[in-house]
Amino acid sequence: GAGVSQSPSNKVTEKGKDVELRCDPISGHTALYWYRQSLGQGLEFLIYFQGNSAPDKSGLPSDRFSAERTGGSVSTLTIQRTQQEDSAVYLCASSWSEGSFYEQYFGPGTRLTVT
Amino acid sequence: GNSVTQMEGPVTLSEEAFLTINCTYTATGYPSLFWYVQYPGEGLQLLLKATKADDKGSNKGFEATYRKETTSFHLEKGSVQVSDSAVYFCALSAGEYGNKLVFGAGTILRVKS
Repeated sequence: GAGVSQSPSNKVTEKGKDVELRCDPISGHTALYWYRQSLGQGLEFLIYFQGNSAPDKSGLPSDRFSAERTGGSVSTLTIQRTQQEDSAVYLCASSWSEGSFYEQYFGPGTRLTVT
Repeated sequence: GNSVTQMEGPVTLSEEAFLTINCTYTATGYPSLFWYVQYPGEGLQLLLKATKADDKGSNKGFEATYRKETTSFHLEKGSVQVSDSAVYFCALSAGEYGNKLVFGAGTILRVKS
Protein backbone atom coordinates (compact mmCIF):
# COMPACT_ATOMS: atom_id res chain seq x y z
CA GLY A 1 0.00 0.00 0.00
CA ALA A 2 0.97 3.65 -0.17
CA GLY A 3 3.42 4.91 2.36
CA VAL A 4 3.74 8.31 3.98
CA SER A 5 4.10 11.00 1.37
CA GLN A 6 5.41 14.54 1.75
CA SER A 7 5.40 17.53 -0.51
CA PRO A 8 7.26 19.33 -1.82
CA SER A 9 10.36 17.14 -1.83
CA ASN A 10 12.55 20.23 -2.06
CA LYS A 11 11.82 23.84 -1.22
CA VAL A 12 14.12 26.81 -1.61
CA THR A 13 12.87 30.03 -0.09
CA GLU A 14 14.20 33.46 0.74
CA LYS A 15 14.77 34.49 4.30
CA GLY A 16 11.63 36.09 5.73
CA LYS A 17 9.15 34.22 3.54
CA ASP A 18 6.54 31.79 4.87
CA VAL A 19 6.52 28.13 3.82
CA GLU A 20 4.04 25.28 4.12
CA LEU A 21 5.09 21.65 4.19
CA ARG A 22 2.54 18.90 3.67
CA CYS A 23 2.33 15.35 5.00
CA ASP A 24 -0.07 12.61 3.87
CA PRO A 25 0.05 9.79 6.40
CA ILE A 26 -0.76 6.15 5.75
CA SER A 27 -4.52 5.73 5.60
CA GLY A 28 -5.98 4.77 8.96
CA HIS A 29 -3.00 5.91 11.01
CA THR A 30 -4.24 8.02 13.89
CA ALA A 31 -0.87 9.21 15.19
CA LEU A 32 1.26 11.64 13.19
CA TYR A 33 4.67 13.08 14.05
CA TRP A 34 6.91 15.79 12.64
CA TYR A 35 10.67 15.63 13.08
CA ARG A 36 13.52 17.74 11.77
CA GLN A 37 16.90 16.50 10.59
CA SER A 38 19.67 19.07 10.47
CA LEU A 39 23.46 18.95 10.50
CA GLY A 40 23.79 20.82 13.74
CA GLN A 41 20.95 19.28 15.74
CA GLY A 42 20.55 15.77 14.34
CA LEU A 43 17.06 14.28 14.31
CA GLU A 44 14.71 16.09 16.66
CA PHE A 45 11.02 15.82 17.47
CA LEU A 46 8.80 18.78 16.66
CA ILE A 47 5.12 17.93 17.25
CA TYR A 48 2.76 14.99 17.68
CA PHE A 49 -0.88 14.65 16.60
CA GLN A 50 -3.43 12.14 17.79
CA GLY A 51 -6.34 12.57 15.42
CA ASN A 52 -6.66 16.31 14.85
CA SER A 53 -5.34 17.27 18.28
CA ALA A 54 -1.73 18.09 19.10
CA PRO A 55 -1.16 17.08 22.71
CA ASP A 56 2.61 17.49 22.44
CA LYS A 57 4.06 20.55 20.74
CA SER A 58 7.12 20.63 22.94
CA GLY A 59 9.63 20.35 20.11
CA LEU A 60 8.53 23.37 18.08
CA PRO A 61 11.59 25.65 18.21
CA SER A 62 9.77 28.99 18.19
CA ASP A 63 6.37 30.56 17.70
CA ARG A 64 7.18 30.94 14.01
CA PHE A 65 6.44 27.22 13.70
CA SER A 66 2.90 25.88 13.71
CA ALA A 67 1.14 22.78 12.47
CA GLU A 68 -2.36 21.55 11.95
CA ARG A 69 -4.03 18.33 10.97
CA THR A 70 -7.45 18.09 9.38
CA GLY A 71 -9.86 15.18 9.01
CA GLY A 72 -7.49 13.02 11.00
CA SER A 73 -5.36 12.76 7.89
CA VAL A 74 -3.29 15.42 6.11
CA SER A 75 -1.02 17.62 8.18
CA THR A 76 0.61 20.93 7.30
CA LEU A 77 3.66 22.36 9.02
CA THR A 78 3.96 26.12 8.55
CA ILE A 79 7.09 28.15 9.15
CA GLN A 80 6.61 31.90 9.18
CA ARG A 81 9.34 34.45 8.49
CA THR A 82 11.88 31.73 7.68
CA GLN A 83 15.43 32.06 8.93
CA GLN A 84 18.60 30.39 7.67
CA GLU A 85 18.72 28.17 10.75
CA ASP A 86 15.40 26.65 9.62
CA SER A 87 17.23 24.93 6.74
CA ALA A 88 16.83 21.22 7.35
CA VAL A 89 15.04 18.09 6.18
CA TYR A 90 11.55 17.96 7.68
CA LEU A 91 10.31 14.42 8.22
CA CYS A 92 6.79 13.23 8.85
CA ALA A 93 5.92 9.86 10.38
CA SER A 94 2.64 8.11 11.12
CA SER A 95 1.59 5.08 13.12
CA TRP A 96 -1.61 3.17 13.90
CA SER A 97 -1.65 4.59 17.38
CA GLU A 98 0.60 6.22 19.89
CA GLY A 99 2.04 3.25 21.74
CA SER A 100 5.66 2.20 21.25
CA PHE A 101 4.35 -1.16 20.05
CA TYR A 102 3.24 0.61 16.90
CA GLU A 103 5.97 1.29 14.35
CA GLN A 104 6.39 4.84 13.12
CA TYR A 105 6.58 4.90 9.32
CA PHE A 106 8.57 7.80 7.92
CA GLY A 107 8.05 9.76 4.74
CA PRO A 108 10.90 10.76 2.39
CA GLY A 109 11.11 14.24 3.86
CA THR A 110 11.04 17.81 2.56
CA ARG A 111 14.43 19.45 2.17
CA LEU A 112 14.05 23.13 3.06
CA THR A 113 16.78 25.58 2.11
CA VAL A 114 16.50 29.17 3.28
CA THR A 115 18.72 31.57 1.35
CA GLY B 1 15.97 14.34 30.27
CA ASN B 2 15.91 11.45 27.84
CA SER B 3 18.91 11.09 25.54
CA VAL B 4 20.75 8.65 23.30
CA THR B 5 24.48 8.51 22.67
CA GLN B 6 25.91 6.46 19.85
CA MET B 7 29.41 6.00 18.56
CA GLU B 8 30.66 8.54 16.10
CA GLY B 9 31.41 7.52 12.57
CA PRO B 10 32.06 7.02 9.90
CA VAL B 11 32.71 3.35 10.44
CA THR B 12 34.48 1.78 7.48
CA LEU B 13 34.58 -2.02 7.17
CA SER B 14 35.46 -4.58 4.57
CA GLU B 15 32.76 -6.91 3.32
CA GLU B 16 32.13 -9.87 5.67
CA ALA B 17 33.61 -8.05 8.66
CA PHE B 18 31.88 -8.02 12.06
CA LEU B 19 29.96 -4.86 12.92
CA THR B 20 29.28 -3.27 16.28
CA ILE B 21 27.74 0.17 16.68
CA ASN B 22 27.53 1.21 20.31
CA CYS B 23 24.45 2.89 21.73
CA THR B 24 23.76 3.95 25.31
CA TYR B 25 20.76 5.79 26.65
CA THR B 26 19.49 7.86 29.54
CA ALA B 27 15.79 7.70 30.29
CA THR B 28 13.28 7.82 33.07
CA GLY B 29 11.14 4.74 33.43
CA TYR B 30 11.40 1.84 31.02
CA PRO B 31 11.89 3.01 27.46
CA SER B 32 11.46 1.05 24.26
CA LEU B 33 14.59 0.99 22.12
CA PHE B 34 14.95 1.08 18.35
CA TRP B 35 17.48 1.02 15.56
CA TYR B 36 16.50 2.90 12.41
CA VAL B 37 18.41 2.83 9.13
CA GLN B 38 18.60 5.41 6.37
CA TYR B 39 19.93 4.06 3.08
CA PRO B 40 21.35 6.57 0.57
CA GLY B 41 18.52 8.54 -1.02
CA GLU B 42 15.84 6.79 1.02
CA GLY B 43 13.74 7.55 4.08
CA LEU B 44 14.17 6.28 7.61
CA GLN B 45 13.16 2.66 8.14
CA LEU B 46 12.76 0.71 11.34
CA LEU B 47 15.45 -1.97 11.47
CA LEU B 48 14.67 -3.59 14.81
CA LYS B 49 13.27 -2.86 18.24
CA ALA B 50 13.09 -4.14 21.81
CA THR B 51 10.47 -3.10 24.31
CA LYS B 52 11.75 -4.52 27.60
CA ALA B 53 14.95 -5.51 29.35
CA ASP B 54 16.81 -8.55 27.96
CA ASP B 55 14.71 -8.54 24.80
CA LYS B 56 16.69 -9.11 21.61
CA GLY B 57 15.56 -7.41 18.44
CA SER B 58 16.71 -8.89 15.15
CA ASN B 59 16.20 -8.29 11.44
CA LYS B 60 18.22 -8.80 8.23
CA GLY B 61 21.08 -10.38 10.20
CA PHE B 62 21.31 -7.43 12.60
CA GLU B 63 20.77 -7.92 16.33
CA ALA B 64 20.61 -5.75 19.42
CA THR B 65 19.91 -6.69 23.03
CA TYR B 66 18.24 -4.36 25.53
CA ARG B 67 20.63 -4.22 28.50
CA LYS B 68 19.06 -2.37 31.40
CA GLU B 69 22.04 -2.80 33.72
CA THR B 70 24.37 -1.04 31.28
CA THR B 71 21.66 1.13 29.65
CA SER B 72 22.85 -0.06 26.26
CA PHE B 73 21.44 -1.31 22.97
CA HIS B 74 24.44 -2.06 20.78
CA LEU B 75 23.84 -3.04 17.15
CA GLU B 76 25.73 -6.05 15.80
CA LYS B 77 25.99 -7.99 12.56
CA GLY B 78 28.24 -10.94 11.99
CA SER B 79 29.08 -10.34 8.34
CA VAL B 80 28.35 -7.02 6.67
CA GLN B 81 27.67 -6.51 2.98
CA VAL B 82 28.21 -3.53 0.73
CA SER B 83 24.44 -3.11 0.67
CA ASP B 84 24.49 -2.41 4.44
CA SER B 85 26.19 0.94 3.80
CA ALA B 86 23.83 3.47 5.35
CA VAL B 87 23.32 5.75 8.34
CA TYR B 88 22.17 3.96 11.49
CA PHE B 89 20.22 5.74 14.23
CA CYS B 90 19.62 4.46 17.74
CA ALA B 91 16.44 5.81 19.30
CA LEU B 92 14.23 5.49 22.34
CA SER B 93 10.62 6.03 23.16
CA ALA B 94 10.26 6.80 26.83
CA GLY B 95 6.59 6.16 27.22
CA GLU B 96 5.73 9.81 27.36
CA TYR B 97 2.37 10.71 25.93
CA GLY B 98 2.51 10.07 22.23
CA ASN B 99 5.71 8.02 22.38
CA LYS B 100 7.84 10.47 20.47
CA LEU B 101 11.23 9.16 19.42
CA VAL B 102 14.50 10.54 20.79
CA PHE B 103 17.36 9.83 18.38
CA GLY B 104 21.10 9.52 18.65
CA ALA B 105 23.30 11.48 16.27
CA GLY B 106 23.55 8.65 13.74
CA THR B 107 26.51 6.55 12.63
CA ILE B 108 27.59 6.37 9.00
CA LEU B 109 28.60 2.85 7.96
CA ARG B 110 30.64 2.32 4.82
CA VAL B 111 31.31 -1.22 3.64
CA LYS B 112 34.01 -1.76 1.02
CA SER B 113 34.08 -4.73 -1.35
